[in-house]
Parts: sequence; C-alpha cells; structure tokens
Amino acid sequence: EPEVTQTPSHQVTQMGQEVILRCVPISNHLYFYWYRQILGQKVEFLVSFYNNEISEKSEIFDDQFSVERPDGSNFTLKIRSTKLEDSAMYFCASSALGSETQYFGPGTRLLVL
Amino acid sequence: AQRVTQPEKLLSVFKGAPVELKCNYSYSGSPELFWYVQYSRQRLQLLLRHISRESIKGFTADLNKGETSFHLKKPFAQEEDSAMYYCALSSYNTDKLIFGTGTRLQVFP
Repeated sequence: EPEVTQTPSHQVTQMGQEVILRCVPISNHLYFYWYRQILGQKVEFLVSFYNNEISEKSEIFDDQFSVERPDGSNFTLKIRSTKLEDSAMYFCASSALGSETQYFGPGTRLLVL
Repeated sequence: AQRVTQPEKLLSVFKGAPVELKCNYSYSGSPELFWYVQYSRQRLQLLLRHISRESIKGFTADLNKGETSFHLKKPFAQEEDSAMYYCALSSYNTDKLIFGTGTRLQVFP
C-alpha cells in the first residue's frame, strides 16, 4: 500500500539556521498539507497546497515558512530562520481529489538548539 | 471559532471492558468529524469518519449535533487497541483538520 514518506526522521539545528523538511506524498494525490505537533500539545495545521499554490494557511505559517513542490514528487517545508519554539514534530499529509481522508507521513522531529 | 475538545488525556481499562473516548466540538456550520489513531511508533492513520457511518476494528462513533459530540465507542476493548486517539474536525469549505489534544487509551490484560 502506498505511503507518505518524510525525510529526515530527525533533525537538529542551531537557532537562526534554515531547515528544509521533505515529503513525498502518495503519487496520485493532489492535495498536500503540513502540520506540526509541539511536544505535549495538539497537532496543528500549518498549510495546505493544491495546484502549485497555497490554498490555506494558519497564523503559525508566517513569513519564516514556505512550501514548494520542486518536482513531480517532492513537497517541502522550509523554515528560513529557525527559532527555539519551532522545535516540534512536523507531519506531512496528502489526499486524493474528492476524498476527505488525509494520509499522514511518519513525521520529522525537529529540534532547534 | 472551530475547536475540538477531548477532556481525557488518559483512559485506562481492562481487556473486555467497554470503552468510550469523548470528543466535543465547536463549529457553527456543518462539520465533518474524524477519529485518527496513532499506535506506538506508527503514523497517524484514519480510524473512521462520521459520514461513512461504519465500524472499524469494532469502534463506532455517532455524530450528535445537539450535544456537539462525536464520542468513540467500543463494547469490548482489546490490548491491541492501546494507542493515542485524536478526534478531528473539518468542514466543506476547508481541507484543514482541527485536532483535539488526544486521549491515550491503555488496555490492560
């Protein structure tokens, strides 16, 4: 069964550095999402992406964040200048046209020191 | 504002006991409700959604618009049901999922 994959599984970075989190959605899916979960808190929506543009974003998704689909398979989340409070588990998800079901990746645990 | 509330952080039961994981929501329109489950060291996965009205792994959930609830129930818990359970809400005009804080279900032998 196809799955969403994410790399890396863990990333440690220094405050102020740029990080790029990568996701490979399920191949025939057209809607892509990023969520994050700070330790001990709820899973929070960051952004949704469809047809090569952002369709919705949350207040968390400020100018420090960007998303891109650089080729036909990858979907990336870039944090331009990381802050301590960006430390969290970041989940990518994708869904097919006409489906409400979002399929989640295993997550990338980001630690900002 | 859209909100999902799961009042219990932890629910512990013995195998064979009934289970009810509570979920209440706040939304002014017509919501779509989901239950996602995360087993140990695995990814979030959809357990069930209210529009399909199905039973998955013995779990059911009924949307009660009067009480704005979508409680997850299973008559006889199994050890393999031990996991983190998240209630989530969406709506027709948005794709984003709004999650509750989750309830950890522990089923003891």
